[in-house]
Amino acid sequence: QQPVQSPQAVILREGEDAVINCSSSKALYSVHWYRQKHGEAPVFLMILLKGGEQKGHEKISASFNEKKQQSSLYLTASQLSYSGTYFCGTEISSGSARQLTFGSGTQLTVLP
Amino acid sequence: GAVVSQHPSWVICKSGTSVKIECRSLDFQATTMFWYRQFPKQSLMLMATSNEGSKATYEQGVEKDKFLINHASLTLSTLTVTSAHPEDSSFYICSARDPSSYEQYFGPGTRLTVT
Repeated sequence: QQPVQSPQAVILREGEDAVINCSSSKALYSVHWYRQKHGEAPVFLMILLKGGEQKGHEKISASFNEKKQQSSLYLTASQLSYSGTYFCGTEISSGSARQLTFGSGTQLTVLP
Repeated sequence: GAVVSQHPSWVICKSGTSVKIECRSLDFQATTMFWYRQFPKQSLMLMATSNEGSKATYEQGVEKDKFLINHASLTLSTLTVTSAHPEDSSFYICSARDPSSYEQYFGPGTRLTVT
């Protein structure tokens, strides 16, 4: 079942912050975050595993609330290069297949 | 991060012909690879899971006789779109999971246009 992402779209000025949310109705084993620019393949940002992780890299961080089956991606002091569509991919079991189901995406536009 | 390559980047073919797309994991061995399809401004839809040495697992609604998957080695999976029609035109992307880190990486994608 497809995770629900919100908001669908957001427009920021350079330097502003944004939060993108991803929620699932099923118990999650992991959440993966990707950014995709127009005409390109998704680029891996980070993975969060069951256990309530938080992770960050430079000004992008994420959290995973295992009890609520929710993950949030935090973009701090956004840069023009952050523009793109952000997808969360969820994994509902730790079985061998390890399939990801992707949300509908959040289109982020950073303006100068 | 790990690298996954895809070939070709784009292909234009006539209706009724078949097209083969290759997906390679360049710096790790992948017993499992995934094939996705993406329409403009839409999400990634999983088509099938490619398993090395065994049959692929197809998602509901995906015709296995039309989208042939072969995972011949630990670093190569191929998707063949048989008897392509204009409605098969799409962006096809493969991915592979690095077994050492659980991270899943996507290839650059193949844009298929069927005329």
